[in-house]
Amino acid sequence: GAVVSQHPSWVICKSGTSVKIECRSLDFQATTMFWYRQFPKQSLMLMATSNEGSKATYEQGVEKDKFLINHASLTLSTLTVTSAHPEDSSFYICSARHGGFNEQFFGPGTRLTVL
Amino acid sequence: TQLLEQSPQFLSIQEGENLTVYCNSSSVFSSLQWYRQEPGEGPVLLVTVVTGGEVKKLKRLTFQFGDARKDSSLHITAAQPGDTGLYLCAGASGGTSYGKLTFGQGTILTVHP
Repeated sequence: GAVVSQHPSWVICKSGTSVKIECRSLDFQATTMFWYRQFPKQSLMLMATSNEGSKATYEQGVEKDKFLINHASLTLSTLTVTSAHPEDSSFYICSARHGGFNEQFFGPGTRLTVL
Repeated sequence: TQLLEQSPQFLSIQEGENLTVYCNSSSVFSSLQWYRQEPGEGPVLLVTVVTGGEVKKLKRLTFQFGDARKDSSLHITAAQPGDTGLYLCAGASGGTSYGKLTFGQGTILTVHP
């Protein structure tokens, strides 16, 4: 149980284009999902908290107009990187909160490369 | 802002050795999770500790939550090459930060055969 999927697993795009990443909870409903960014050999950096049916809450320094988050259902959250630039290249990971102790279950991540 | 100091950041040991990873904070957490992550994959939850002083064992891994719920440790006995990976501790809080996790900096463990 508590399986989270992400799609795509990797994407290469040209500078200036937009990229959408999907995060799905497969066997449970998640009112709250989280989006993280991770640089090589470093810990996770929380970007935003995605709440079903309401606006996402962004961490300080994260541009909400650049990283659009939509959580339209209890099993799906999407992150759209708009007008991507090479500095947006990173490993993006989502998670879904499940259980009584605020445990988060993570997706397999999406490797974004912007040329 | 809550901080979770994780140490050491890097650990390179031989197969069969024991090791301990520490996570310390001045903040109290309602629960603390340990994750293991392999390159190119998402973190996998290993254990959740909730009660102060709690000890949980997962085969050769022993997790402990401090009495005051501010610190935790992960001890691996007789490490194996398959234990290699990034280990992350993460503390959960209530209040306005409900649901969010505070992550430690991570420990990159390499176990050599």
